[in-house]
Amino acid sequence: IQLTQSPSSLSASVGDRVTITCRASQDLKNYLAWYQQRPGQAPKLLMYAASTLQSGVSSRFSGGGSGTDFTLTISSLQPEDFATYYCQHFDTYPPWTFGQGTTVEIK
Amino acid sequence: EGQLVESGGGLVQPGESLRLSCVASGFTFSIWEMNWVRQAPGKGLEWISYISKSTTTMYYADSVKGRFTISRDNAKNSLYLQMNSLRGEDTAVYYCATLRDAGSNRRFDPWGQGTLVTVSS
Repeated sequence: IQLTQSPSSLSASVGDRVTITCRASQDLKNYLAWYQQRPGQAPKLLMYAASTLQSGVSSRFSGGGSGTDFTLTISSLQPEDFATYYCQHFDTYPPWTFGQGTTVEIK
Repeated sequence: EGQLVESGGGLVQPGESLRLSCVASGFTFSIWEMNWVRQAPGKGLEWISYISKSTTTMYYADSVKGRFTISRDNAKNSLYLQMNSLRGEDTAVYYCATLRDAGSNRRFDPWGQGTLVTVSS
């Protein structure tokens, strides 16, 4: 299963609403997770089952979609949100591939 | 939530071997399935291996199949990755990660901080 994220990178300002898309090559139902990775750090889980917010993660993050098209939205971008975001599928068996990543940069 | 700490990375020459370790604390390691994920410098995340909680099932990415072996010792709360016949393209930060839940609720959490493996002559 291939996951394609778009855009690969984007520039945005603090307070902007940002949406990242993850498209799958096969039907994933809602078996998709999202991670945030800041430079020099390990990935951090944001969302799973496409739209379930991980405990402790800000509610400005939301996820949606099912089947082959998924989105991660940040409602009001904060300085700590500038990072790279990855989607990952959890089809029945591995390999549980990741999207190529979307880097959110400061405009 | 628990913590994972990797170790064992370093600089090795092509063709050599290395064994990575990942020690878990703060959660019941033996009931969770575990994985290794790597990230080449400046690149994205690549899932490379999975092991079931009872060690009966292992999976590998095609890129490491036949060269890498995943194992675990539940009595020591430890996960391992034996890496043989290392190549330059294996240069990466290696993360261990816990597979939570089942079905649609599956996710990797927590992750270790990573250990850097550099393969170069």
